[in-house]
Formats: sequence, C-alpha cells, structure tokens
Amino acid sequence: EAGVAQSPRYKIIEKRQSVAFWCNPISGHATLYWYQQILGQGPKLLIQFQNNGVVDDSQLPKDRFSAERLKGVDSTLKIQPAKLEDSAVYLCASSRTGAGETQYFGPGTRLLVL
Amino acid sequence: QKEVEQNSGPLSVPEGAIASLNCTYSDRGSQSFFWYRQYSGKSPELIMSIYSNGDKEDGRFTAQLNKASQYVSLLIRDSQPSDSATYLCAVNILSTSGTYKYIFGTGTRLKVLA
Repeated sequence: EAGVAQSPRYKIIEKRQSVAFWCNPISGHATLYWYQQILGQGPKLLIQFQNNGVVDDSQLPKDRFSAERLKGVDSTLKIQPAKLEDSAVYLCASSRTGAGETQYFGPGTRLLVL
Repeated sequence: QKEVEQNSGPLSVPEGAIASLNCTYSDRGSQSFFWYRQYSGKSPELIMSIYSNGDKEDGRFTAQLNKASQYVSLLIRDSQPSDSATYLCAVNILSTSGTYKYIFGTGTRLKVLA
C-alpha cells in the first residue's frame, strides 16, 4: 500500500511570495490533515478534511493560508503572501475514518522563507 | 495549561537500559493515545497506540495508560543508539463540534549513548 505522498520536498521563497504544497493521501482514507511543525515543536493542526469537506480549520491563518480538497482525494495548501514565521515543515497526514484511529504522515515539505 | 505536556529533554540513557518517556494531558474526554517517533529531518512514524487503561506491549516497547491520572508513558527496553530520536505523544479528543482531533505534545528528545 502506497503511503502519503507530498510535493515538493523543499521550497525556498522570499517573504511576500506565494507557495503551494500538494498532498495525496493513502488510498481510501477519508480524512486528511495538514500540520505545521516549527523546529523544536510538535505538529500543529492547520486544517482537517473529511472527504472534501472542512471539519476543523480553527488554527488556519485564513488571511494568508488556504486549502482545498477537490473530489475528496488529494489536497493543496497555499500560502499567500508568505511571512518569515511561516518557515516550517508542512506535514500532510491521512486516516481511514478520522474517528480516533491512527493517522499516517507523509514525508513533509520543508519551507524556508527569506 | 498545555493540552499535552512532555518533558523536552534530552533524556540520555546508556545502551541496553530502559528509557521511560512520559506524557500528561488535560482533556478527560481524550479517547485514544499515540506515540510517534521522529528522527531528525523526517516525519513522525507510529510506534504504539493505546486505547484503554493498562499496559500494551509490542516488542521492546510498552505503552502505559492511566486515564484517572491523565497520564500515558512509553517504555523502551534494551535501548539502542538507533532509538535516538524525538518521541511525540499525541492524544485524540472528541471536540465540541463532534469531530475528532489530534493534539500533539512538543516531544521528548531521547539520546541513547553507546
């Protein structure tokens, strides 16, 4: 079974530029999560999708971050415009139903904002 | 009070010893509990999940859960240098909106000395 795929793996941009990350979850997993992990901290949930609907985006900075999951499969997270404090690893994870079972992480995208 | 608390470490143990990692959580409605291992520059990978009070063993790893004390721990027996990593505790809670969400601790850095 293929794992969670993410691209790109690394991205360097200047502040005020825009950037987009892509995630393809494990086949058949209904729930998809985007996390932000700043160095030395645990992952922080940005947004959670159940199929193609948003169930939690309470910690998503909506003035600059947006995400979509068209057709309930892969997802895109966008930052526009980026700030220096957005430098972090962006992790995508998926789980089968979202009802408390294990979630599996992709390799992450390392973003550096200069 | 943070929702999930871990000692950031580093926790240093000699090779072959038992490493004990601890985690406390604040939400009494927490449903399920996970330990993830994260190597430097990599994404989290699942070590153990535990759902009910008591111990759960898997090879060299034992997870212990005490819901009354709101405490979950991970024991690593016969620690190896390859166990050196950051260990993340994650708690799954049922939010007021009726969805399940995962809350991560900041992680404990473990160093196993050869």
